[in-house]
Amino acid sequence: AQTVTQSQPEMSVQEAETVTLSCTYDTSESDYYLFWYKQPPSRQMILVIRQEAYKQQNATENRFSVNFQKAAKSFSLKISDSQLGDAAMYFCAYRSPDNYGQNFVFGPGTRLSVLP
Amino acid sequence: DTGVSQDPRHKITKRGQNVTFRCDPISEHNRLYWYRQTLGQGPEFLTYFQNEAQLEKSRLLSDRFSAERPKGSFSTLEIQRTEQGDSAMYLCASSLLVSGETQYFGPGTRLLVL
Repeated sequence: AQTVTQSQPEMSVQEAETVTLSCTYDTSESDYYLFWYKQPPSRQMILVIRQEAYKQQNATENRFSVNFQKAAKSFSLKISDSQLGDAAMYFCAYRSPDNYGQNFVFGPGTRLSVLP
Repeated sequence: DTGVSQDPRHKITKRGQNVTFRCDPISEHNRLYWYRQTLGQGPEFLTYFQNEAQLEKSRLLSDRFSAERPKGSFSTLEIQRTEQGDSAMYLCASSLLVSGETQYFGPGTRLLVL
């Protein structure tokens, strides 16, 4: 079974600085999808960024980018120019290819604090 | 369409009672997922539907839990004979059937079993 590990339960960053959240996963599949979701306090989870494993190019969405290292099974999230609104729980998620079950596997999350 | 909605947002019940939650997905989405999330943890997959068919259930899902999606639109999750360990946030998500689809989450229903 696939597992997702986030080794940093909590992180903090100064406003306008850059922070990197770590995620590693375990799978025997070669094609899959990876996601970062953000869950602000008492608010619903929203997608931050996604990466297809067959793509070598790292995904980027405005201030958010990933460092996808397929061989190392690592998928870190970099947040540049951190803003107060970035404070939230961040979950890394893995999804199998379409023919191998449809459930997502989420990591335990990293709580990010942004300091003014 | 404003996204995935869930009702109720909060539910307090006594141990042994039955509870039912509702999820309304984004209208054109044909996949619907249920998750359970306990404090400080990531969501844990419970079950999912493609249209009205329930295609997968977690092995961890007790037989006290049942889910339906009768017309392929909204879904209900029922918990019978609730236990204190059922206290959690129950999340619903929907997606469109495409390769590697992105799930869109609702606000969740927070259940407290006394």
